[in-house]
Amino acid sequence: KAGVTQTPRYLIKTRGQQVTLSCSPISGHRSVSWYQQTPGQGLQFLFEYFSETQRNKGNFPGRFSGRQFSNSRSEMNVSTLELGDSALYLCASKQDVAYTGELFFGEGSRLTVL
Amino acid sequence: AQKVTQAQTEISVVEKEDVTLDCVYETRDTTYYLFWYKQPPSGELVFLIRRNSFDEQNEISGRYSWNFQKSTSSFNFTITASQVVDSAVYFCALSEARNAGNMLTFGGGTRLMVKP
Repeated sequence: KAGVTQTPRYLIKTRGQQVTLSCSPISGHRSVSWYQQTPGQGLQFLFEYFSETQRNKGNFPGRFSGRQFSNSRSEMNVSTLELGDSALYLCASKQDVAYTGELFFGEGSRLTVL
Repeated sequence: AQKVTQAQTEISVVEKEDVTLDCVYETRDTTYYLFWYKQPPSGELVFLIRRNSFDEQNEISGRYSWNFQKSTSSFNFTITASQVVDSAVYFCALSEARNAGNMLTFGGGTRLMVKP
């Protein structure tokens, strides 16, 4: 069974640009969430999607947005990039939003903003 | 608001030593979930264990064991006879029950280095 797949794995952008990151959950998983990991702030929750609906959002500015498609794949977008957006962005999936078990994480997309 | 504190930022041990990673949490909820995840250099977080707040039984899985004490709001993780492959960053996390295990609040992580 394939794991959570995130693309691209690495990317470099400059300030002011925008970026889109993609996440394909494990087959059959319908809940997808995103986390940002930085050396300063650690791991922080970004958003959670289920059935194409955003269920929860963390404390991030409106420049951070996301969506989920009917096949459960998800994308997140960051507009007007700032240096502080440099981070590892991790996507996680699980079977169902009500399932309280483990989240399965991808290897992340490492974004560098110059 | 909920908070998870991992006071040990970095631990270095020699192979075969036992090591305990500390985790202290804060939450106003009476029902919640606690997790431990391992992050190897490749980046993905690997699930190790989940505990719900009304199950204080300690758990052992091979060389790994977990001690959950509600009275001290702690959920410590012990690796017995550590191995080089245990080298990684370990995260403790908390989720309120109403979020059904989503919206994890992570501690700052403990980097464990096991030297041969």
